[in-house]
Amino acid sequence: AQSVAQPEDQVNVAEGNPLTVKCTYSVSGNPYLFWYVQYPNRGLQFLLKYITGDNLVKGSYGFEAEFNKSQTSFHLKKPSALVSDSALYFCAVRRYSSASKIIFGSGTRLSIRP
Amino acid sequence: GAGVSQSPRYKVAKRGQDVALRCDPISGHVSLFWYQQALGQGPEFLTYFQNEAQLDKSGLPSDRFFAERPEGSVSTLKIQRTQQEDSAVYLCASTPSPDNRGGKETQYFGPGTRLLVL
Repeated sequence: AQSVAQPEDQVNVAEGNPLTVKCTYSVSGNPYLFWYVQYPNRGLQFLLKYITGDNLVKGSYGFEAEFNKSQTSFHLKKPSALVSDSALYFCAVRRYSSASKIIFGSGTRLSIRP
Repeated sequence: GAGVSQSPRYKVAKRGQDVALRCDPISGHVSLFWYQQALGQGPEFLTYFQNEAQLDKSGLPSDRFFAERPEGSVSTLKIQRTQQEDSAVYLCASTPSPDNRGGKETQYFGPGTRLLVL
């Protein structure tokens, strides 16, 4: 079975400070890992993904995530937060298999205060 | 170009009523997915189409849920005899290729249909 956990329901950060949104996963075999962002009344927007290769993945809007196989984590980071980054963030995992489904975490609400 | 579109954006139904939700994927996209997102939760997989073929419907919660994509483009998710527990946002996503490349394709999501069953 595969699963993904986002241990924080909400993360609060001051504008200009670095931010981290945590994600851990459980999957047999090689994982594919994704981060999506959801703004109010809009669908999920793709941020970045890890497939293979460099453990540090860079994505849209200055976000990056680091794949850590030993800790089974894929935390989302940004060096300097913007108020416009305030949104709901979802981590997702999929096992390398044509028959597997993508599994989403429960989401973390990121709030950036001016 | 245009992204994934869904209609209606909001639907209020009385318990027992049938509803139909429409998804227009990105033109030319082969794969189409439906998800259900309950309040405060992440999306959960419902069903997957490759062109007109429904290859995976294991996530459909009951036989009241039915999906089709007869011409391999637009898809409709139908819920019969709606119940209050069906209240959720229904998301549609598409990818350009068949979903048989180990699942590494990025999915492009529509804005969703928010269904409220009273």
